[in-house]
Amino acid sequence: SQTIHQWPATLVQPVGSPLSLECTVEGTSNPNLYWYRQAAGRGLQLLFYSVGIGQISSEVPQNLSASRPQDRQFILSSKKLLLSDSGFYLCAWSGQFNYGYTFGSGTRLTVV
Amino acid sequence: QKEVEQDPGPLSVPEGAIVSLNCTYSNSAFQYFMWYRQYSRKGPELLMYTYSSGNKEDGRFTAQVDKSSKYISLFIRDSQPSDSATYLCAWGGGNRDDKIIFGKGTRLHILP
Repeated sequence: SQTIHQWPATLVQPVGSPLSLECTVEGTSNPNLYWYRQAAGRGLQLLFYSVGIGQISSEVPQNLSASRPQDRQFILSSKKLLLSDSGFYLCAWSGQFNYGYTFGSGTRLTVV
Repeated sequence: QKEVEQDPGPLSVPEGAIVSLNCTYSNSAFQYFMWYRQYSRKGPELLMYTYSSGNKEDGRFTAQVDKSSKYISLFIRDSQPSDSATYLCAWGGGNRDDKIIFGKGTRLHILP
């Protein structure tokens, strides 16, 4: 069966510090991968998506970047965090034979 | 016009009541329809999906789609406190690489 792992669950970082959130998928190959942010009381905002290794599309210009170094690994990064980067970050995947997206458990990021 | 409209709530109903959650959409290209459930501090999980107009049942849950009116609903029978969560409606196109559009979610509280 397919599983998605996302870590860490909670993160508190100072303004100006770097960020690296990792997401891995098991049990499938060539998934589409997504990074979302969900601010308190707001909807899901698509940040990046990837249809293959090294292929990243950005939905929203911002202080973040994404990379896909391996087929089932998706990384969200920032060189210098801003207060506005605080939020709940979710990784998700979709495949050829499943409906919709399967989400990870999320990372709650607080920038202080 | 927004692609998806969903009342954010919160919606509070007594335990055992029938719950009705609704969304409207504007894009006729949407081909499949989903409902996600998101518990606090967790990632959304796919609850139901359907391609066609009409009703689809799964236990206490019924998804209803009216493509002519561009309206979808989720009904929860015999609501339980464990149903307290945020429910997001979502739409997808017919191709795997089509991005899913999510509503902002309705917060539901089932009062014991």
